[in-house]
Amino acid sequence: GAVVSQHPSWVICKSGTSVKIECRSLDFQATTMFWYRQFPKQSLMLMATSNEGSKATYEQGVEKDKFLINHASLTLSTLTVTSAHPEDSSFYICSAPGTGPGELFFGEGSRLTVL
Amino acid sequence: GQNIDQPTEMTATEGAIVQINCTYQTSGFNGLFWYQQHAGEAPTFLSYNVLDGLEEKGRFSSFLSRSKGYSYLLLKELQMKDSASYLCAVQGGANNLFFGTGTRLTVIP
Repeated sequence: GAVVSQHPSWVICKSGTSVKIECRSLDFQATTMFWYRQFPKQSLMLMATSNEGSKATYEQGVEKDKFLINHASLTLSTLTVTSAHPEDSSFYICSAPGTGPGELFFGEGSRLTVL
Repeated sequence: GQNIDQPTEMTATEGAIVQINCTYQTSGFNGLFWYQQHAGEAPTFLSYNVLDGLEEKGRFSSFLSRSKGYSYLLLKELQMKDSASYLCAVQGGANNLFFGTGTRLTVIP
């Protein structure tokens, strides 16, 4: 079964509104989680690294004020897309490292459509 | 910075063998992953290499040469269901993953 759960799977919102996506680790603690974005027919692009108890680390070119990341607990990280615009429409995926070497678990992904 | 290259598209015949190459230049290296991704779905883990050499897992094998910054994924006895995107990803020093552009493989009868 899934070890990382992401919610919602699909979300449609109006331009200018904010959308929150949750990423939960199931049955294990994740002090770090990663957020990716994937546009159609493109690969995954790392957006930011979410750290429990401290600020997220954003990749170059990712607006930290637009993509708010909160790692509230050892099992939950949230990504909030603020003032969403149609160009933010994308597939957002989170992942969390496991305890084994190279172990990394992905959430199911969230498809955001901004009208 | 990170630079990970792989071919954009490949086509192969059912039952055949296909090799998907990946070259990388990264500032840190803690391993190389291969993932399979079908459209609209999250990536599925295929393999992980951290030492040089070949890792075999059923119909899938992955090779790594750290000195050359090179890896390949080998798929044997291709099946139609193997049509998907294959993503090469390098794990950096902070354990984050940087993905290549992905190779869209089409398996034809």
